This record gives sequence, C-alpha cells and structure tokens, in this order.
Amino acid sequence: EIVLTQSPGTVSLSPGEGATLSCRTSQSVSSAYLAWYQQKPGQAPRLLIYGSSSRATGIPDRFSGSGSGTDFSLTISRLEPEDFAVYYCLQYHSSPSWTFGQGTKVEIK
Amino acid sequence: EVQMVESGGGLVKPGGSLRLSCAASGFNFNAAWMTWVRQAPGKGLEWIGLIKSKGGGETTDYTAPVNGRFTISRDDSKNTVYLQMNSLKSEDTAVYYCAKVRSMSCYSLDYWGQGTLVTVSS
Repeated sequence: EIVLTQSPGTVSLSPGEGATLSCRTSQSVSSAYLAWYQQKPGQAPRLLIYGSSSRATGIPDRFSGSGSGTDFSLTISRLEPEDFAVYYCLQYHSSPSWTFGQGTKVEIK
Repeated sequence: EVQMVESGGGLVKPGGSLRLSCAASGFNFNAAWMTWVRQAPGKGLEWIGLIKSKGGGETTDYTAPVNGRFTISRDDSKNTVYLQMNSLKSEDTAVYYCAKVRSMSCYSLDYWGQGTLVTVSS
C-alpha cells in the first residue's frame, strides 16, 4: 500500500510570500502519475499540476511542480489572496487505484 | 465546456442504500474512465472506485472499505455514471464527487463535479 505524506500540515504565510509544499511517497513512483490539487471550502478540488510538473489548463505560472522518486513538491512563487486553501497531492498506481495525501493547509498569517 | 453534476445524496439510515448519479457533458464520455472520490466532513479526500470505458471492458475497481458494498456502473447513452451504495455505515457519511480520468498517460483526475452530500445516521 502506497502512503503519501504531505508536509507541513499547516503553513501560515502572508500574501506575496512564496510557499513550498512537500509530498513524500512510501515507495518510488512514476513522476508521470503525481498530481496536485487545490481545494477551497465548499468547493470541489481543482487540478493544478499533473505529471508532477505540467500545469493544468488555466493555472497561473506562479504554481510549479517538481520531484521524482519519492519526493515531490508544489511551489507557489508569490501567494495571491485566492491561493489560501488546502492542497492535496494524488498518486495513481496500478490496481488501478489512486491515493491522496492528507493535505496541506495554506493559511493567511 | 466540461460539466459534471452529481445528484442523489441525502439522509439514509445505517444499513440502507442509496444511488448517486453523475451526469457529464462536454467531453467524449464513452472513452473516459470515471472515478468516485469522497470527503468526510472536515477530512481529506479518499478515492473509492473506478469504472473504465467500454473499450476498457467497463472494468471496475474499489478501495477496500467499500468493496462488496458499493457498485459503480455507467450508461454511455445518457453520459452518466452511477454509484450504488448498499449496507451503508456512519463512516460513509461524506461528500461524494465524481471525477474524470484525464488520460491514460498520466491518470490525473482533471474534472470534478460539485459533489453531493450523503449522511448516514439513524
């Protein structure tokens, strides 16, 4: 069973600051199958990054993804007010099935 | 424009059943793999099941906590995917989302419905 561990659990930042969110998998996985999502209260998750580093349609370039093996990250270069939300990583693996990380909350400091 | 609209949620007693629907539009539904994801109140996201396209044999797969109780099906003539939930437990209380698998090269879930709330309580 693959486990995705996100850190930190919560980060408090000010608009304009940068953020780096981590997603660590319990076993090495293909970077092609790692995605990142943003979720705001009362809304469905929104795909930000797929294939570990490709931005989804309409996603601003302040969002970027990187990583390989067991360590992946999502970077937000300059936080805008609308970026304060919960972020999840998602890994597809054979069975087929998917596993989510537990989420990182980015809150306003 | 891609749209997915879930319906069928509500309050049900433990041991009861409920069928959720997800009506999709704006993409080639026939070729799409479709999944269901749930989110318990105040908790994270949990993938619960998949149905492949007809070309993929309409194969289904489920996460262990729902395997044997939940069944996913699809009606390509109606661009709709269903989640039949039986023997419901209090821990099944959640918002249920349908989501489309983006492609067979990356398997991310690119479009989601708005979700429908299922509450299991006596």
